[in-house]
Amino acid sequence: ELKVEQNPLFLSMQEGKNYTIYCNYSTTSDRLYWYRQDPGKSLESLFVLLSNGAVKQEGRLMASLDTKARLSTLHITAAVHDLSATYFCAVDTNAGNMLTFGGGTRLMVKP
Amino acid sequence: DTGVSQDPRHKITKRGQNVTFRCDPISEHNRLYWYRQTLGQGPEFLTYFQNEAQLEKSRLLSDRFSAERPKGSFSTLEIQRTEQGDSAMYLCATKPRIGQETQYFGPGTRLLVL
Repeated sequence: ELKVEQNPLFLSMQEGKNYTIYCNYSTTSDRLYWYRQDPGKSLESLFVLLSNGAVKQEGRLMASLDTKARLSTLHITAAVHDLSATYFCAVDTNAGNMLTFGGGTRLMVKP
Repeated sequence: DTGVSQDPRHKITKRGQNVTFRCDPISEHNRLYWYRQTLGQGPEFLTYFQNEAQLEKSRLLSDRFSAERPKGSFSTLEIQRTEQGDSAMYLCATKPRIGQETQYFGPGTRLLVL
């Protein structure tokens, strides 16, 4: 059974600081997804990583994938309050059709 | 707004009642997915359709759950004889045919079973 683990589960940061969220998974996969969820809202797609070594960046967020280590990271640079949300990684097990999500990392950025 | 709509957005029901949720996908998205998300957890896959064919079902989808996608357009998810443990957010997501990997999520239906 595929397991996807994120850490930390909760992260409180000061504005302007950098931090990394980690996503480990237990079986071979070359597709990994990052989503953002605001309280009471649905999921917003951030990144889709489709190969070993893939790196994608959007604004203050950068995601990378190491399929050999079964690890993805989401790096936050110079955090701002608007980044406060819960971030989920998800691993695909069937050509993009069966996503297994991690438990989420709740990020709070304080001024 | 991703263009995926769900109805209703909220549903309160008593234990033992049946409920039905609807998902309207982005037009021309032939793949449609249902997930369930409980408070503080990540979404869990329930089932998915390619056009009108239901191709995968999670073991989470007990006999009380049934999903349909007639004509390959909108989809419905029905829960019969609801239980308190069914209380959750039910999310629908869709994806186009090929060349696009992202699943686009709808706003969800929040179910509370009393």
